[in-house]
Amino acid sequence: AAGVIQSPRHLIKEKRETATLKCYPIPRHDTVYWYQQGPGQDPQFLISFYEKMQSDKGSIPDRFSAQQFSDYHSELNMSSLELGDSALYFCASSSRRQETQYFGPGTRLLVL
Amino acid sequence: AQSVTQLDSQVPVFEEAPVELRCNYSSSVSVYLFWYVQYPNQGLQLLLKYLSGSTLVKGINGFEAEFNKSQTSFHLRKPSVHISDTAEYFCAVSRLSGGYNKLIFGAGTRLAVHP
Repeated sequence: AAGVIQSPRHLIKEKRETATLKCYPIPRHDTVYWYQQGPGQDPQFLISFYEKMQSDKGSIPDRFSAQQFSDYHSELNMSSLELGDSALYFCASSSRRQETQYFGPGTRLLVL
Repeated sequence: AQSVTQLDSQVPVFEEAPVELRCNYSSSVSVYLFWYVQYPNQGLQLLLKYLSGSTLVKGINGFEAEFNKSQTSFHLRKPSVHISDTAEYFCAVSRLSGGYNKLIFGAGTRLAVHP
């Protein structure tokens, strides 16, 4: 079965640079969620989209922005990167009528 | 608001022994409950979920969990573990309402299965 696709899988950036993470949900899933998992920590909710509209917002820094496109894929844009942004970033998708979120493999971001 | 407490940060166990990973939650509203597993350097895989109905739910890889509303618990169990079960296990909740609800995770329990 098709799964959530995230790209890139690994990313290395310098401080103050920008990064764009991409997420392709499972076909026919209309909702996308972004989570951040710091080293040794549990995943923390950042933001979610339903039908291309922001549906919920968590502890997402103002330096980050995200959107969901007409084909339902989503991008997380991160600017002025800081060392503390180094983490594993997960995307998850679900269908409006289902409560289960399916996670992608994650993008590991390292900020030097 | 919801919160999740995983009572054990690490659980060492010998192969073929039974294991229980404990999870308690707090919420002012009804919730859905989930267990996810994260193998080293991998993403989160759904083990099982409780949405409604029978309080005993069975998941993949021989795991099961029991929802106890009075004790606000959702403990994960397996009668006989394998080396391959070594991983991080996360308990999570989401609000019981129509769609697109974020997951609130516990801090995780590292299960280490020894030969």
